[in-house]
Amino acid sequence: AQSVTQPDIHITVSEGASLELRCNYSYGATPYLFWYVQSPGQGLQLLLKYFSGDTLVQGIKGFEAEFKRSQSSFNLRKPSVHWSDAAEYFCAVGPSGAGSYQLTFGKGTKLSVIP
Amino acid sequence: DAGVIQSPRHEVTEMGQEVTLRCKPISGHDYLFWYRQTMMRGLELLIYFNNNVPIDDSGMPEDRFSAKMPNASFSTLKIQPSEPRDSAVYFCASSSYMNTEAFFGQGTRLTVV
Repeated sequence: AQSVTQPDIHITVSEGASLELRCNYSYGATPYLFWYVQSPGQGLQLLLKYFSGDTLVQGIKGFEAEFKRSQSSFNLRKPSVHWSDAAEYFCAVGPSGAGSYQLTFGKGTKLSVIP
Repeated sequence: DAGVIQSPRHEVTEMGQEVTLRCKPISGHDYLFWYRQTMMRGLELLIYFNNNVPIDDSGMPEDRFSAKMPNASFSTLKIQPSEPRDSAVYFCASSSYMNTEAFFGQGTRLTVV
């Protein structure tokens, strides 16, 4: 079964500082990987996705993520955090196999930004 | 397109009552998903449809939960009877074909008292 681990429940950074959110996955083949962001009271918005090809993917709002097969990781990064980035971030992996769809989410990392 | 539309945004009901959550997916999307989000369990996939047909309902917690998709532009998630432990945020999402990103609605916050 596929699974996603986000080791950090809550991270606090200062505005302007760099950010890295960790994501580790368990999946038997090359996964499809996603990062979503959820602002309070809102649904989830896709930041970026990895299907194949270049292991460094660029997303919206200045975010990027790097797929590292050897480490089963897909960490999210941003060089300079803005106060508006405060939100909860979810890593997801899918699919589970032929004929089915199972997008599995991590438990999320809440990001707080200090002005 | 207005995105995935869910209604109501908030629902407060008494234990034992029937609750119906509604979802309008993005036009042209042929996959529809229902998720439940709680602090304890995070985001859980309850059920998903492909071309209006339920494909996997293994995430539906018990028989009190049911979901339908009578046509490509409408789906419902029903809880009957509701219980306090059903309190959560329920999200509907849709996607255009398997393995692409899912677009989420803003969710329905359900409180069962």
